Parts: sequence; structure tokens; C-alpha cells
Amino acid sequence: DTEVTQTPKHLVMGMTNKKSLKCEQHMGHRAMYWYKQKAKKPPELMFVYSYEKLSINESVPSRFSPECPNSSLLNLHLHALQPEDSALYLCASRGPLRDTEAFFGQGTRLTVV
Amino acid sequence: DAKTTQPTSMDCAEGRAANLPCNHSTISGNEYVYWYRQIHSQGPQYIIHGLKNNETNEMASLIITEDRKSSTLILPHATLRDTAVYYCIVRVGVINYGQNFVFGPGTRLSVLP
Repeated sequence: DTEVTQTPKHLVMGMTNKKSLKCEQHMGHRAMYWYKQKAKKPPELMFVYSYEKLSINESVPSRFSPECPNSSLLNLHLHALQPEDSALYLCASRGPLRDTEAFFGQGTRLTVV
Repeated sequence: DAKTTQPTSMDCAEGRAANLPCNHSTISGNEYVYWYRQIHSQGPQYIIHGLKNNETNEMASLIITEDRKSSTLILPHATLRDTAVYYCIVRVGVINYGQNFVFGPGTRLSVLP
């Protein structure tokens, strides 16, 4: 199984809502990533988790709150978002060897209204 | 991680080879070259990676110059389904989960009938 599964595929939320994005992998990978991608732009790194601990936070606003409850699961909790946060949110995971590639999910298309 | 530069866009005729260049003149000895592609609104897909030697898999070939300052991704017989944005990424190969994959702007490849 070389899949990274993201749910939901689409999400529409109001600016006062609280929602969560979920990412799951069963490849035994201990590094997991969140990226944000705006239209016609490359993916932009948000967070990196290493062995379930946050190792990189790319100065992301606190209205985005990541969580890694176990080695297979990564969540992104959303609260009080702005319309400009509408984007494709991508999750990725990576294996332990020196030169392994990252596997990406298909993303959650988020619209903030 | 070393920065990369790629052409903004390229066209290729269907059935012909697509050669996508990437410049990474500041690459270090322990940095790998990875190629990913992203078809519209999907998650990035791993294509190939290499350190020094040329590499080939079922999708593509990767040619790395002897000085490692540039590389070329070759899709030997491009099809319409190869139309995508292609990203060249250079990253350190360490056994450390806290390393990130940083995307540059990429090359938008259009395969024309």
C-alpha cells in the first residue's frame, strides 16, 4: 500500500467554523508533511512532523493547528479562517532511507466563505 | 537545500521525447535531484531521482551532468496525459525525518496532438 489518503476531498467552511483535515498512511513512514497550494502556484510547505513531533513550522498562522496523534495519522485543525486561506491542502509522507521520495495525497480543496 | 531554476513552460509534440532541463548550480555533494509532476488539481506524483549517475525507470530517464550543476528529465514518448507541471527539487539525503521537500515554480509542459 503506497497511498496517502486525505479526507475530505472538498470542504466549504464559514469564517467562524471549526473543521479538521485528515491524512492517513500505512507505509510505516515517520515523517509527514502539510502543504498549501494556491492556484497556479507550487505547493508551499506548512508543517513537518518527525516521529510524531513537530519539527518544522514555516511561520504558519495559529488558525492552522496541526496534530499527529499516531504514526499513521496527521490532522490539520482549522479555526477562524479567512477567504484567502482557500486553497488545495496537500499531505505527504516519507520513508526512513537517505534518498526515499515523498508520497503525496490527492489533497483537500478548501473554500472559506 | 540548493535552489533550482527551470523554464516556465515548454511544448512537446505527442509521441516525441520531452526533455525538461533543470539548473542547480549550487548543489552540494550530498544533495539528490528529485523530479515530481502535478497534473491539474491532483497531488504531486513522484517520477524519478538521482545523485550522480543517470537513472531510468518505467516513467522517465534522468540525466545528471558530470559536474552535477544541471539535469534533464526525459519522457521518451510523450502522450497527452503527460501534460502537467514538472518540478525539479534538490534536497539533502540524510537519514533525518525532519527534512523538507521545497518546490520551485516548475515547468508547465504541454503535450500537443
